[in-house]
Amino acid sequence: QSALTQPRSVSGSPGQSVTISCTGTRNDVGYYNYVSWYQQHPGKAPRLLIYDVTQRPAGVPDRFSGSKSGNTASLTISGLQAEDEADYYCSSYAGTYTFVVFGGGAKLTVL
Amino acid sequence: QLQLVESGGGVVQPGGSLRLSCAASGFTFSRHALHWVRQAPGKGLEWVAIIAYDGDFKYVADSLKGRFTISRDNVKNTLYLYMDRLRPDDTAVYYCVRDPGDHGDYYFDHWGQGTLVTVSS
Repeated sequence: QSALTQPRSVSGSPGQSVTISCTGTRNDVGYYNYVSWYQQHPGKAPRLLIYDVTQRPAGVPDRFSGSKSGNTASLTISGLQAEDEADYYCSSYAGTYTFVVFGGGAKLTVL
Repeated sequence: QLQLVESGGGVVQPGGSLRLSCAASGFTFSRHALHWVRQAPGKGLEWVAIIAYDGDFKYVADSLKGRFTISRDNVKNTLYLYMDRLRPDDTAVYYCVRDPGDHGDYYFDHWGQGTLVTVSS
């Protein structure tokens, strides 16, 4: 069982927006602004999409955005495209001795 | 071009040991913390270990402590993971991952392609 809770699957049609939630506790997501999101296509390594809750690395389209409220972080993908179909993982710093925790991953299907 | 290339994976019997390597290029290796992250077949990501830029600070996930050791060689630009007393549930793809910080910013900006470790008799 993963430390952070994500929906197992989400779906949307091309052009629509989808939001993937990531629920932790006051010891990780709720306390630190160190939430990151990763995209993983089948057979590939994960790719960083968002770090520090809302920051996008160079090269990541602004269709991807992050936010946080309380113990829950969210990744929103707007203007869905076929190539967005992938698994999405959230991660959070969880303090000394635990360091990094991941969500179980959410599979995005573009209908 | 930044590259992280893992090697050393393979099939090992339960109770055996294995050393994974990660050769880095395209960036100043000695300025970054590094991590290992693993992914069991069909499962999610699991953080394994971190080592700071100079090797002075290192930490292995509590569930793996005592069996896994992380180290680095800043002359050879190589990260290592030594795994001992391997169990079937250690079967996973092991990723070498770069941290943007020197002691750990705790997110992962570059990933290797991974190396598969299979623990089976």
